[in-house]
Amino acid sequence: NAGVMQNPRHLVRRRGQEARLRCSPMKGHSHVYWYRQLPEEGLKFLVYLQKENIIDESGMPKERFSAEFPKEGPSILRIQQVVRGDSAAYFCASSPWVDQGRDYGYTFGSGTRLTVV
Amino acid sequence: DQQVKQNSPSLSVQEGRISILNCDYTNSMFDYFLWYKKYPAEGPTFLISISSIKDKNEDGRFTVFLNKSAKHLSLHIVPSQPGDSAVYFCAASARDSGAGSYQLTFGKGTKLSVIP
Repeated sequence: NAGVMQNPRHLVRRRGQEARLRCSPMKGHSHVYWYRQLPEEGLKFLVYLQKENIIDESGMPKERFSAEFPKEGPSILRIQQVVRGDSAAYFCASSPWVDQGRDYGYTFGSGTRLTVV
Repeated sequence: DQQVKQNSPSLSVQEGRISILNCDYTNSMFDYFLWYKKYPAEGPTFLISISSIKDKNEDGRFTVFLNKSAKHLSLHIVPSQPGDSAVYFCAASARDSGAGSYQLTFGKGTKLSVIP
């Protein structure tokens, strides 16, 4: 049973380009959470999605960031017109129900390291 | 506004000795606490958790202690092994915050080095 799969592992974008980060949850998991880790910081919550629904996007910057989790396929975190401050590690976690992560610990993917040049 | 604080960026411990990692929090709504371990270029891996109704939880070499009145928790690793060398993150969540119960608030991490 594969864990949470994220790709690409590394992504380099020039300022102004778009970055698309993908996350495939563990099999049977329908809840996906995105976190961002800026250099020298802890992980910060961005967005929580269920299939075809954004449940909570309160952690996401209001502009340029969007997320989706379609009925089929991986969850996508999209950052438009990237700036240097978007350079960070982006982690995705999944769970089979909403509080499973609290009770048993979320399973995180290995992350996508975005570098904006 | 840092609601979860890990004030020691790094800690070095001799193999076989006890490692004690500390974490303080400010939000009294937090009622569940987790510790994660992270190796470079990997995602965080869940280690151990504790509910606010307990003051201690133990799992093998890992024990977490919670002092609610002081808003302080600690992770004890004994005996420490070189493979324990990693960054350790403290995280918290608040079940009674309703929609936000799934959100984890992380500290900045403590880098533990276990010296053989």
